[in-house]
Amino acid sequence: GNSVTQMEGPVTLSEEAFLTINCTYTATGYPSLFWYVQYPGEGLQLLLKATKADDKGSNKGFEATYRKETTSFHLEKGSVQVSDSAVYFCALRGGADKLIFGTGTRLQVFP
Amino acid sequence: DAEITQSPRHKITETGRQVTLACHQTWNHNNMFWYRQDLGHGLRLIHYSYGVQDTNKGEVSDGYSVSRSNTEDLPLTLESAASSQTSVYFCASSGGGDRAYNEQFFGPGTRLTVL
Repeated sequence: GNSVTQMEGPVTLSEEAFLTINCTYTATGYPSLFWYVQYPGEGLQLLLKATKADDKGSNKGFEATYRKETTSFHLEKGSVQVSDSAVYFCALRGGADKLIFGTGTRLQVFP
Repeated sequence: DAEITQSPRHKITETGRQVTLACHQTWNHNNMFWYRQDLGHGLRLIHYSYGVQDTNKGEVSDGYSVSRSNTEDLPLTLESAASSQTSVYFCASSGGGDRAYNEQFFGPGTRLTVL
């Protein structure tokens, strides 16, 4: 069946450091892929998405590229800020609009 | 502005009691979803609905039920609360159809504690 695997956290970085959060998936066909972000005490918000192989999603300085050959959708940001501290979820869209989430990766950024 | 709301935001109840969590969206979305969030599991799908009078079981539906009598609301009922149902519950909605990039919009969550 479909599944998503994320790197375990927490990821701890200093401000302006480079961020990578790994995400790989198992799926039949070519699912759409998403990164959601959850700030403390809030619900999830869509951060970026990609719908087909080699698509690059980007938003707020974050990027992720849909890699079909490695079944990956790693999240990257060149220079993180304290305000980026949150939990990040990778997800794939399975059949009929259902989302399958990874376990989430907590990012902590210190000044 | 359109939004999705959940109530209550926090709830403490006792084992064996029936509990209902409310979810209301003003996006006029066809699809609505209930998830639970637990450490080490991410979000897991409990129930979902593609329209009025339609409900479907998700990955972890045992002990939960939903009903969809209108477009805006999808209440989640715990028939007889158990300590294993202590969790944070999120409701979400999306526009429906088969668009590959459909975004789900999430509510703020309800933290439920079963003692």
